[in-house]
Amino acid sequence: GAGVSQSPRYKVAKRGQDVALRCDPISGHVSLFWYQQALGQGPEFLTYFQNEAQLDKSGLPSDRFFAERPEGSVSTLKIQRTQQEDSAVYLCASSLVAGQSYEQYFGPGTRLTVT
Amino acid sequence: AQTVTQSQPEMSVQEAETVTLSCTYDTSENNYYLFWYKQPPSRQMILVIRQEAYKQQNATENRFSVNFQKAAKSFSLKISDSQLGDTAMYFCAFGGTSYGKLTFGQGTILTVHP
Repeated sequence: GAGVSQSPRYKVAKRGQDVALRCDPISGHVSLFWYQQALGQGPEFLTYFQNEAQLDKSGLPSDRFFAERPEGSVSTLKIQRTQQEDSAVYLCASSLVAGQSYEQYFGPGTRLTVT
Repeated sequence: AQTVTQSQPEMSVQEAETVTLSCTYDTSENNYYLFWYKQPPSRQMILVIRQEAYKQQNATENRFSVNFQKAAKSFSLKISDSQLGDTAMYFCAFGGTSYGKLTFGQGTILTVHP
């Protein structure tokens, strides 16, 4: 079946622009995670959704970052007034149920470059 | 808060040989899971192996096995009979919250040479 997909795969934004990154999780997956991966580093947690509820947004680096999952499936990560330090790969992952043992399936990521 | 440390930025191994990647972590939790994920160049991250903290038996998946030392907070990955397709960045990850939020290490780039 289809895996997790993300769009766009690459995004170049000028400093100060707003961007929206989309994640299509595996159908039926309850949990959805967003991670930020700087070049050569491990992913860092941004936010978590269980269905449409955003249960943890403790990793969002500033109030310029906003995420939503209004119908419990597709999710969008929005970054307002982008800064150079926002340049990174943004990974989305989903898992079938909420639970620490369950495998997270990752998308290919969106590489954001802020110039 | 949890921390995960991978002290080997890069490793290399000859095809068919065995290699071990190191990982240590720090936590005050008692019930958690540990994972190794593989991220091939320009490809998606995939799960290699997982270990439940309350299980003493080390997990194995075909050529991949772990050495889990709970008291030492150590979780190394052994890859036997290395293959060219094993070339990737490997991440150790800690899963401790009820819903599965992952804390990753910095990664180890593994190169398998023919």
